[in-house]
Amino acid sequence: AQSVAQPEDQVNVAEGNPLTVKCTYSVSGNPYLFWYVQYPNRGLQFLLKYITGDNLVKGSYGFEAEFNKSQTSFHLKKPSALVSDSALYFCAVRAPGAGSYQLTFGKGTKLSVIP
Amino acid sequence: NAGVTQTPKFRVLKTGQSMTLLCAQDMNHEYMYWYRQDPGMGLRLIHYSVGEGTTAKGEVPDGYNVSRLKKQNFLLGLESAAPSQTSVYFCASSLGTSSGNEQFFGPGTRLTVL
Repeated sequence: AQSVAQPEDQVNVAEGNPLTVKCTYSVSGNPYLFWYVQYPNRGLQFLLKYITGDNLVKGSYGFEAEFNKSQTSFHLKKPSALVSDSALYFCAVRAPGAGSYQLTFGKGTKLSVIP
Repeated sequence: NAGVTQTPKFRVLKTGQSMTLLCAQDMNHEYMYWYRQDPGMGLRLIHYSVGEGTTAKGEVPDGYNVSRLKKQNFLLGLESAAPSQTSVYFCASSLGTSSGNEQFFGPGTRLTVL
């Protein structure tokens, strides 16, 4: 069975500082990994994904994530946080292969960027 | 393109009532999904469909039924609503599962069962 852990329920960071939202995963085989963001009363928006290749993945709104196979992690990062980045962030994993449909989400991390 | 749309946005039911949530996508996606989101639990997959006329159970299917009569629509039904089904429901769609295609989400339906 595949699983995702987001160890922090909430992350607080000052505007302009770098931010990191942590994610670790468990899956058989090489994973497909995703980050989504959810603003209040909205659906989830896709930020970025890792499928294969370069371990550093760049996505929307200046976010990036680093895939670390040995640590089974896929942490989300941004060099300089904005107040508008405050939202709920979800990490998700899917096993590779065309027959694998289920995307498993973490419980989410609430990011608060303090002006 | 409207993307993924959901109807209705809000609904209040009494225990035992039934209702159907409608999801529509205009991206010609093969795959569609229904999730529920509960505080502190992330998103959990209820049912999914890999094409018109096909459906399958996800992680938490009990108490729900689905139908995919048209490629662009995916309906979620509650035959006899229970307070435990109070949740926010999200529909999503994706092009496929190869190459790690991402899922696109609708805005959600907030359901309260009294």
